[in-house]
Amino acid sequence: SQTIHQWPATLVQPVGSPLSLECTVEGTSNPNLYWYRQAAGRGLQLLFYSVGIGQISSEVPQNLSASRPQDRQFILSSKKLLLSDSGFYLCAWIPSQGAGANVLTFGAGSRLTVL
Amino acid sequence: AQSVAQPEDQVNVAEGNPLTVKCTYSVSGNPYLFWYVQYPNRGLQFLLKYITGDNLVKGSYGFEAEFNKSQTSFHLKKPSALVSDSALYFCAVSRPRQADKLIFGTGTRLQVFP
Repeated sequence: SQTIHQWPATLVQPVGSPLSLECTVEGTSNPNLYWYRQAAGRGLQLLFYSVGIGQISSEVPQNLSASRPQDRQFILSSKKLLLSDSGFYLCAWIPSQGAGANVLTFGAGSRLTVL
Repeated sequence: AQSVAQPEDQVNVAEGNPLTVKCTYSVSGNPYLFWYVQYPNRGLQFLLKYITGDNLVKGSYGFEAEFNKSQTSFHLKKPSALVSDSALYFCAVSRPRQADKLIFGTGTRLQVFP
């Protein structure tokens, strides 16, 4: 069966420090991968998505970047965190084949607090 | 452009009573519609989806939703609420065959009181 893992689950970082959040998917090949941010416990904002290794699309300009070094690995990074980067970050995946009827599946999330 | 609206920030209901969480959408063509639930500090969990067919869709935990094309709505319902249903509920919409490009509503917090 397919599973998605995110880590770390929680992170407290000072302003100006770097960030690396990781997401891996097991039990599937060539998934579409997504990073969402949820601020203030409500709405979801799509940050990045990837349809393959090295292919990253950015939905909003910001202080963050994403990379996909392996087929089932998706990394969210920042060189220097801002206070406004605080939030709950969710990784998600969907099969690339037949995505029309499939369901976006989310990881458990990573809560980032920037102080 | 596609969009989805959840007009209620919070819905309060007594345990045992029926509940409804509202969702309206705007998308060209026949939409794909989804409901997700989020418990505190957790990821979103899929509840149900409408792709085609019967307008009444049944999902996890006794939830169901009715697709109403004329009213462009996809309200989430449950006949008898449980305290454990208290959570944040998200409606989402995509264009046909583009379930990988979901647009989410702002969420509705459901509070079920004992």
